[in-house]
Amino acid sequence: EADIYQTPRYLVIGTGKKITLECSQTMGHDKMYWYQQDPGMELHLIHYSYGVNSTEKGDLSSESTVSRIRTEHFPLTLESARPSHTSQYLCASSAPDRGGDTEAFFGQGTRLTVV
Amino acid sequence: QKEVEQDPGPLSVPEGAIVSLNCTYSNSAFQYFMWYRQYSRKGPELLMYTYSSGNKEDGRFTAQVDKSSKYISLFIRDSQPSDSATYLCAMKKGGSYIPTFGRGTSLIVHP
Repeated sequence: EADIYQTPRYLVIGTGKKITLECSQTMGHDKMYWYQQDPGMELHLIHYSYGVNSTEKGDLSSESTVSRIRTEHFPLTLESARPSHTSQYLCASSAPDRGGDTEAFFGQGTRLTVV
Repeated sequence: QKEVEQDPGPLSVPEGAIVSLNCTYSNSAFQYFMWYRQYSRKGPELLMYTYSSGNKEDGRFTAQVDKSSKYISLFIRDSQPSDSATYLCAMKKGGSYIPTFGRGTSLIVHP
Protein backbone atom coordinates (compact mmCIF):
# COMPACT_ATOMS: atom_id res chain seq x y z
CA GLU A 1 0.00 0.00 0.00
CA ALA A 2 1.24 3.47 -0.92
CA ASP A 3 2.49 5.69 1.91
CA ILE A 4 0.80 8.91 0.92
CA TYR A 5 -1.64 10.55 3.26
CA GLN A 6 -4.23 13.25 2.85
CA THR A 7 -6.05 15.09 5.58
CA PRO A 8 -8.81 15.77 6.14
CA ARG A 9 -10.73 13.04 4.27
CA TYR A 10 -13.93 15.07 4.32
CA LEU A 11 -14.42 18.80 4.88
CA VAL A 12 -17.55 20.93 4.88
CA ILE A 13 -16.78 24.61 5.16
CA GLY A 14 -18.51 27.96 4.70
CA THR A 15 -17.96 30.35 1.82
CA GLY A 16 -15.07 32.73 2.30
CA LYS A 17 -13.08 30.56 4.68
CA LYS A 18 -9.40 29.84 4.15
CA ILE A 19 -8.56 26.15 4.01
CA THR A 20 -5.44 24.04 3.63
CA LEU A 21 -5.54 20.47 2.39
CA GLU A 22 -2.62 18.46 3.65
CA CYS A 23 -0.65 15.85 1.70
CA SER A 24 2.37 13.94 2.96
CA GLN A 25 4.34 11.01 1.58
CA THR A 26 7.00 8.91 3.24
CA MET A 27 8.46 7.36 0.09
CA GLY A 28 11.01 10.08 -0.61
CA HIS A 29 9.43 10.85 -3.97
CA ASP A 30 10.61 14.03 -5.61
CA LYS A 31 7.52 14.58 -7.76
CA MET A 32 4.12 15.42 -6.28
CA TYR A 33 0.81 16.38 -7.84
CA TRP A 34 -2.64 17.71 -6.99
CA TYR A 35 -5.61 16.62 -9.07
CA GLN A 36 -9.25 17.68 -8.96
CA GLN A 37 -11.87 15.04 -9.68
CA ASP A 38 -15.60 15.59 -10.11
CA PRO A 39 -17.98 12.59 -10.30
CA GLY A 40 -17.77 10.82 -13.65
CA MET A 41 -15.16 13.24 -14.94
CA GLU A 42 -11.46 13.09 -15.71
CA LEU A 43 -8.77 13.82 -13.20
CA HIS A 44 -7.59 17.34 -13.87
CA LEU A 45 -4.08 18.35 -12.86
CA ILE A 46 -4.12 21.62 -10.93
CA HIS A 47 -0.59 21.78 -9.47
CA TYR A 48 2.63 19.81 -9.56
CA SER A 49 6.10 19.91 -8.11
CA TYR A 50 9.34 18.35 -9.27
CA GLY A 51 11.10 18.95 -5.97
CA VAL A 52 11.64 21.30 -3.06
CA ASN A 53 10.89 24.93 -3.92
CA SER A 54 9.57 23.89 -7.35
CA THR A 55 5.85 24.33 -8.08
CA GLU A 56 3.93 24.71 -11.33
CA LYS A 57 0.31 25.19 -12.31
CA GLY A 58 -1.37 22.36 -14.13
CA ASP A 59 -3.77 22.26 -17.04
CA LEU A 60 -6.85 23.21 -15.06
CA SER A 61 -7.05 26.79 -13.90
CA SER A 62 -7.33 26.88 -10.14
CA GLU A 63 -7.55 29.60 -7.52
CA SER A 64 -5.58 27.44 -5.12
CA THR A 65 -1.90 27.74 -4.28
CA VAL A 66 0.67 25.16 -3.21
CA SER A 67 4.05 25.11 -1.52
CA ARG A 68 6.87 22.58 -1.38
CA ILE A 69 9.20 23.47 1.46
CA ARG A 70 9.94 19.86 2.37
CA THR A 71 10.18 16.83 0.09
CA GLU A 72 7.49 14.92 1.93
CA HIS A 73 4.92 17.70 2.27
CA PHE A 74 2.80 19.37 -0.47
CA PRO A 75 -0.12 21.33 1.01
CA LEU A 76 -2.79 23.01 -1.10
CA THR A 77 -4.42 26.25 0.10
CA LEU A 78 -7.61 28.02 -0.87
CA GLU A 79 -7.58 31.59 0.45
CA SER A 80 -11.33 32.09 0.13
CA ALA A 81 -13.45 29.01 -0.48
CA ARG A 82 -16.44 29.22 -2.83
CA PRO A 83 -19.17 26.69 -3.70
CA SER A 84 -17.49 26.21 -7.11
CA HIS A 85 -14.52 24.70 -5.24
CA THR A 86 -16.67 21.78 -4.13
CA SER A 87 -14.91 18.68 -5.48
CA GLN A 88 -12.63 15.80 -4.62
CA TYR A 89 -8.94 16.69 -4.40
CA LEU A 90 -6.40 13.93 -4.95
CA CYS A 91 -2.71 14.15 -4.10
CA ALA A 92 -0.18 11.89 -5.82
CA SER A 93 3.57 11.35 -5.87
CA SER A 94 5.99 9.52 -8.13
CA ALA A 95 9.53 8.28 -7.84
CA PRO A 96 12.59 9.63 -9.65
CA ASP A 97 12.69 8.84 -13.34
CA ARG A 98 13.48 5.23 -14.23
CA GLY A 99 13.44 5.64 -17.99
CA GLY A 100 9.80 6.64 -18.10
CA ASP A 101 8.51 3.95 -15.78
CA THR A 102 7.23 6.28 -13.08
CA GLU A 103 4.18 5.01 -11.28
CA ALA A 104 2.04 7.62 -9.55
CA PHE A 105 0.79 6.72 -6.07
CA PHE A 106 -2.41 8.42 -4.97
CA GLY A 107 -3.70 9.39 -1.57
CA GLN A 108 -7.24 8.63 -0.44
CA GLY A 109 -8.47 12.06 -1.44
CA THR A 110 -10.15 14.97 0.34
CA ARG A 111 -13.80 15.51 -0.44
CA LEU A 112 -14.44 19.24 -0.04
CA THR A 113 -17.90 20.77 0.18
CA VAL A 114 -18.24 24.54 0.35
CA VAL A 115 -21.65 25.75 1.51
CA GLN B 1 -11.82 16.67 -29.12
CA LYS B 2 -10.41 15.31 -25.88
CA GLU B 3 -7.00 13.66 -26.04
CA VAL B 4 -8.30 10.56 -24.27
CA GLU B 5 -11.83 9.23 -24.68
CA GLN B 6 -13.35 6.67 -22.33
CA ASP B 7 -16.97 5.58 -22.07
CA PRO B 8 -18.13 6.30 -18.49
CA GLY B 9 -20.58 3.37 -18.44
CA PRO B 10 -21.80 1.99 -16.14
CA LEU B 11 -20.93 -1.46 -17.39
CA SER B 12 -22.84 -4.18 -15.55
CA VAL B 13 -21.80 -7.83 -15.92
CA PRO B 14 -22.49 -11.09 -14.09
CA GLU B 15 -19.82 -12.68 -11.93
CA GLY B 16 -17.44 -14.79 -14.00
CA ALA B 17 -17.83 -12.76 -17.19
CA ILE B 18 -14.92 -11.49 -19.26
CA VAL B 19 -14.86 -7.72 -19.11
CA SER B 20 -13.43 -5.48 -21.81
CA LEU B 21 -12.67 -1.84 -20.99
CA ASN B 22 -11.39 0.49 -23.67
CA CYS B 23 -9.93 3.92 -24.37
CA THR B 24 -9.11 5.75 -27.56
CA TYR B 25 -6.69 8.61 -27.89
CA SER B 26 -5.74 11.18 -30.46
CA ASN B 27 -2.14 12.10 -29.62
CA SER B 28 0.37 9.81 -31.32
CA ALA B 29 3.09 11.06 -28.93
CA PHE B 30 1.70 8.93 -26.10
CA GLN B 31 4.11 6.07 -25.37
CA TYR B 32 3.24 4.88 -21.86
CA PHE B 33 -0.19 3.47 -21.08
CA MET B 34 -1.68 2.76 -17.70
CA TRP B 35 -4.83 1.44 -16.12
CA TYR B 36 -5.87 2.57 -12.66
CA ARG B 37 -8.62 1.13 -10.48
CA GLN B 38 -10.54 3.43 -8.15
CA TYR B 39 -12.91 2.16 -5.51
CA SER B 40 -15.61 4.45 -4.19
CA ARG B 41 -14.24 7.14 -1.87
CA LYS B 42 -10.64 6.00 -2.48
CA GLY B 43 -7.72 7.24 -4.57
CA PRO B 44 -6.78 5.48 -7.83
CA GLU B 45 -4.29 2.61 -7.66
CA LEU B 46 -2.16 1.43 -10.55
CA LEU B 47 -3.20 -1.89 -12.09
CA MET B 48 -1.20 -2.17 -15.29
CA TYR B 49 1.61 -0.23 -16.93
CA THR B 50 2.70 -0.86 -20.54
CA TYR B 51 5.12 0.77 -22.90
CA SER B 52 4.32 1.05 -26.61
CA SER B 53 2.25 -1.59 -28.41
CA GLY B 54 1.59 -5.15 -27.34
CA ASN B 55 0.02 -7.16 -24.56
CA LYS B 56 0.82 -7.48 -20.87
CA GLU B 57 -0.74 -10.01 -18.56
CA ASP B 58 -0.96 -10.00 -14.76
CA GLY B 59 -3.16 -12.66 -13.23
CA ARG B 60 -6.74 -12.11 -14.39
CA PHE B 61 -5.84 -8.79 -16.04
CA THR B 62 -4.53 -8.25 -19.58
CA ALA B 63 -3.64 -4.86 -20.98
CA GLN B 64 -3.49 -4.43 -24.73
CA VAL B 65 -2.14 -1.47 -26.69
CA ASP B 66 -2.66 -0.89 -30.41
CA LYS B 67 -0.78 2.27 -31.29
CA SER B 68 -1.68 2.06 -34.97
CA SER B 69 -5.37 2.35 -34.05
CA LYS B 70 -4.73 4.58 -31.00
CA TYR B 71 -6.73 2.14 -28.92
CA ILE B 72 -6.02 0.49 -25.58
CA SER B 73 -7.93 -2.20 -23.73
CA LEU B 74 -8.05 -3.84 -20.33
CA PHE B 75 -9.49 -7.33 -20.11
CA ILE B 76 -10.60 -8.86 -16.84
CA ARG B 77 -11.15 -12.61 -16.83
CA ASP B 78 -13.41 -14.40 -14.36
CA SER B 79 -14.70 -11.09 -13.02
CA GLN B 80 -15.56 -10.91 -9.32
CA PRO B 81 -17.86 -8.59 -7.35
CA SER B 82 -14.68 -7.20 -5.78
CA ASP B 83 -13.70 -5.92 -9.24
CA SER B 84 -16.59 -3.45 -9.05
CA ALA B 85 -14.90 -0.06 -9.29
CA THR B 86 -14.12 2.74 -11.70
CA TYR B 87 -11.30 1.96 -14.14
CA LEU B 88 -9.32 4.91 -15.48
CA CYS B 89 -6.99 4.73 -18.42
CA ALA B 90 -4.04 7.09 -18.47
CA MET B 91 -1.21 7.76 -20.87
CA LYS B 92 2.01 9.72 -21.02
CA LYS B 93 4.26 11.15 -23.70
CA GLY B 94 7.90 10.16 -23.74
CA GLY B 95 9.90 12.34 -21.37
CA SER B 96 6.81 13.53 -19.50
CA TYR B 97 6.03 12.68 -15.89
CA ILE B 98 2.42 13.78 -16.09
CA PRO B 99 -0.25 11.41 -17.41
CA THR B 100 -3.45 12.39 -19.18
CA PHE B 101 -6.42 10.54 -17.73
CA GLY B 102 -9.66 9.30 -19.24
CA ARG B 103 -12.88 9.97 -17.33
CA GLY B 104 -13.10 6.39 -16.12
CA THR B 105 -15.54 3.53 -16.73
CA SER B 106 -17.73 2.39 -13.86
CA LEU B 107 -17.82 -1.42 -13.67
CA ILE B 108 -20.41 -3.34 -11.68
CA VAL B 109 -19.97 -7.09 -11.28
CA HIS B 110 -23.09 -8.61 -9.77
CA PRO B 111 -23.16 -12.02 -8.06
